[in-house]
Amino acid sequence: GNSVTQMEGPVTLSEEAFLTINCTYTATGYPSLFWYVQYPGEGLQLLLKATKADDKGSNKGFEATYRKETTSFHLEKGSVQVSDSAVYFCALSHAGRRALTFGSGTRLQVQP
Amino acid sequence: EAGVTQFPSHSVIEKGQTVTLRCDPISGHDNLYWYRRVMGKEIKFLLHFVKESKQDESGMPNNRFLAERTGGTYSTLKVQPAELEDSGVYFCASSQDPGGSNTGELFFGEGSRLTVL
Repeated sequence: GNSVTQMEGPVTLSEEAFLTINCTYTATGYPSLFWYVQYPGEGLQLLLKATKADDKGSNKGFEATYRKETTSFHLEKGSVQVSDSAVYFCALSHAGRRALTFGSGTRLQVQP
Repeated sequence: EAGVTQFPSHSVIEKGQTVTLRCDPISGHDNLYWYRRVMGKEIKFLLHFVKESKQDESGMPNNRFLAERTGGTYSTLKVQPAELEDSGVYFCASSQDPGGSNTGELFFGEGSRLTVL
């Protein structure tokens, strides 16, 4: 079946540091890939997505590229801010099934 | 526009008791989903409604869980009787029906935290 594997957290960085959160997936065919973020006290919200191989999703300075050859969708940001502290979830959805498959989440803590 | 709302935000019950969680989706969203996150692990799919019909309930763990969506508006998830392993955060999400496309954007509520003692 489909699965998503994320690097374990927590990840603690200083402000303006470079961020990478690794995500790999297992799925047949060509799933769509997503990053969701959950800020403290809020529900999950879509951060970015990519629907086909080599697509790059981007939003709020975050980027992730759909790599079919390595089955990966790593999240990156060049310079993190304290306000980026949150839990980040990688997810996939497969054509014909609208339910998302999530990873276990990675908590990011950015210190001033 | 109001987002997805869930109630209660936190419930503490004893093993064997019953709890009912409620979700109000965004108005006009036909698709409603329930997910659960246990002990910091992955968020797992429970079931999917399209209007009042259960489209996919393959993630429901056992028959102690009952989900309903009367009239295709709000939904309830009842756990009866609750067990210790049911503790976790229950998320509800909704989405518009994109007519077969697969945008994957779900709008989530803040979750209902259930603690079973």
